[in-house]
Amino acid sequence: SQQGEEDPQALSIQEGENATMNCSYKTSINNLQWYRQNSGRGLVHLILIRSNEREKHSGRLRVTLDTSKKSSSLLITASRAADTASYFCATANSGNTPLVFGKGTRLSVIA
Amino acid sequence: GAVVSQHPSWVICKSGTSVKIECRSLDFQATTMFWYRQFPKQSLMLMATSNEGSKATYEQGVEKDKFLINHASLTLSTLTVTSAHPEDSSFYICSAPQTSGRLRDEQFFGPGTRLTVL
Repeated sequence: SQQGEEDPQALSIQEGENATMNCSYKTSINNLQWYRQNSGRGLVHLILIRSNEREKHSGRLRVTLDTSKKSSSLLITASRAADTASYFCATANSGNTPLVFGKGTRLSVIA
Repeated sequence: GAVVSQHPSWVICKSGTSVKIECRSLDFQATTMFWYRQFPKQSLMLMATSNEGSKATYEQGVEKDKFLINHASLTLSTLTVTSAHPEDSSFYICSAPQTSGRLRDEQFFGPGTRLTVL
C-alpha cells in the first residue's frame, strides 16, 4: 500500500530555478529515502535521512524531515534540464524492511 | 556505492509461457531482496520479500504460485512469472538493502525488467 502523498504530482520549472517536492507519510519510520527515476528506467538513490535527523545535504540536493508532521521535502537548487525525472520518497520501518513508496512527483525542467 | 543488476532488461513473450528475471547484488551480499512492480505512470508496489535460505514473503493479493521467488545465494534472487498473461505486463524491479558500512540501510535498485506478454 502507498505510504502517503507527494506534492505536487507534477512540477514544471525553468532551468536555474529551484524545485521543491514534498512527501507525507502515515506511520512511524526508521528512515526516509529519496529516489529519482528517469522514464522507463531504474531508481537512482539520492539521499537517506534517518528519523533522528532533520536535514541533509548532497550537492544541489537538500532534504528535510519533520517527524512531528510526518513529512519530508526535497529541494533541488539551480535545476538543470537533466534533472527532469520522477522523484519518489520511500519510507522504511527499519534497515532491512521493504520500502513503502509515495506516488511521486514528475519534474520537468525546461531549458 | 552498491550495484544491483537485473537480467533481462526487457522481454517479450507469448501468453502462457514462463519468464525468469534475475536480480544480483554485484558488490555486496544481500540476505534479503525485494521485488516490486510498477505500472505506467504509477509508483512502485511491493510484491514480495525474498529471503536467502527461506521462503519468500508475499504481499496480500500477490499469487505465490504465479510469481515464484528463489533466493539461491547471498547475491542472487530470481522471480519467475509462470504462465504469463497480458495483464502481467509491467515493469518489474528488485532492490537490495545495504546492511553495513557507510551505506547502511540504503536500498539499491536494479535497472528493472520490462515484461510484455502478447
